[in-house]
Amino acid sequence: GDSVTQMEGPVTLSEEAFLTINCTYTATGYPSLFWYVQYPGEGLQLLLKATKADDKGSNKGFEATYRKETTSFHLEKGSVQVSDSAVYFCAFHTGGFKTIFGAGTRLFVKA
Amino acid sequence: NAGVTQTPKFQVLKTGQSMTLQCAQDMNHEYMSWYRQDPGMGLRLIHYSVGAGITDQGEVPNGYNVSRSTTEDFPLRLLSAAPSQTSVYFCASNPGQGSGANVLTFGAGSRLTVL
Repeated sequence: GDSVTQMEGPVTLSEEAFLTINCTYTATGYPSLFWYVQYPGEGLQLLLKATKADDKGSNKGFEATYRKETTSFHLEKGSVQVSDSAVYFCAFHTGGFKTIFGAGTRLFVKA
Repeated sequence: NAGVTQTPKFQVLKTGQSMTLQCAQDMNHEYMSWYRQDPGMGLRLIHYSVGAGITDQGEVPNGYNVSRSTTEDFPLRLLSAAPSQTSVYFCASNPGQGSGANVLTFGAGSRLTVL
């Protein structure tokens, strides 16, 4: 069935380190792909998205590329900040009415 | 622009009690949905609505009811609370059409504890 697998956390990095959070999906058809971020005490908010193969979504220094051949959508940032500490969710939408979420990856960034 | 507003933020119930989580959006979105968030499990869809008067079940609907009498409001009712319903609940909405059709806007969440 449809599912999202993302790397388990927590991930702990020092400020200015490089971040990668891996995400792979199993879906029928050609889904739209998303990364949502949840800051402490808040709801999820869209970080970036990509709607077709080879699209690159980007926002706030974060990037992810839609890789259809490997069914992946890895999140990267070149230099993390303390303010990036949050939980990151990979998700996809296949049409109809369903967004499938991964379990989330908690990121801690130390000063 | 308030977006999606959920109330209450926190609630403690005893087993068997009933309650309603309120959700309202002011973006004129057609689609609204309720998710629960549990540790290590991501978000799971409880119920959703594609317009006023139309609701349907998601992945984990048992023990919950919804209604959609207006475009703006989508309350979630717990009929007889059980400890397994202890969770954080999120209401979300999305336009349903256009370039951002499937982009979800979430409320801040409601943390429910059932004793």
